[in-house]
Amino acid sequence: GAVVSQHPSWVICKSGTSVKIECRSLDFQATTMFWYRQFPKQSLMLMATSNEGSKATYEQGVEKDKFLINHASLTLSTLTVTSAHPEDSSFYICSALPRTSGSVGELFFGEGSRLTVL
Amino acid sequence: QKEVEQDPGPLSVPEGAIVSLNCTYSNSAFQYFMWYRQYSRKGPELLMYTYSSGNKEDGRFTAQVDKSSKYISLFIRDSQPSDSATYLCAMSRDNYGQNFVFGPGTRLSVLP
Repeated sequence: GAVVSQHPSWVICKSGTSVKIECRSLDFQATTMFWYRQFPKQSLMLMATSNEGSKATYEQGVEKDKFLINHASLTLSTLTVTSAHPEDSSFYICSALPRTSGSVGELFFGEGSRLTVL
Repeated sequence: QKEVEQDPGPLSVPEGAIVSLNCTYSNSAFQYFMWYRQYSRKGPELLMYTYSSGNKEDGRFTAQVDKSSKYISLFIRDSQPSDSATYLCAMSRDNYGQNFVFGPGTRLSVLP
């Protein structure tokens, strides 16, 4: 099946620093990628929708200046957590929608990136 | 009222048991219904995908959708320890992923 790779899988950083997480579709092109946040024992919450070549669409309550999203190519989207604070510690997951299908049933998820801010 | 409700569990069953996982929802506009399996510290993996009401079977897994009751179920037959994971239901109003809503997930443990 299609593979979506996230990197890094685990990152620890100091408060005030910025962290970039990459989401790559390895064997397909993705016009649209999604970024989610998941707290322990809670479900995934959609943060933003990333469309290749255009600005990301953020969900209500998500600070776009805090969580910078770039979707520069059909296989790569990045999420940068700027000036990270301990409350930003979470599990961040991306998903990608194949360009050829566009079907929600073919939404492929990455393995997630665990961010710990000290 | 949350858009999607799901009993968080944990649910523990013996190996070989039939497992029933359920979600209820409030938005009648949902048309697409998915079940995902998520192992600890991993991304979700799609198990079943159904459109509108009805049943769908895939191996040991059966998904049911009852739109009149706003209720969906996932049944796992002959459960195995490897089925131990968190099961997330998800729903969407459209087929494009932008309006995807996840349930909180049910933690399942299948005991050998």
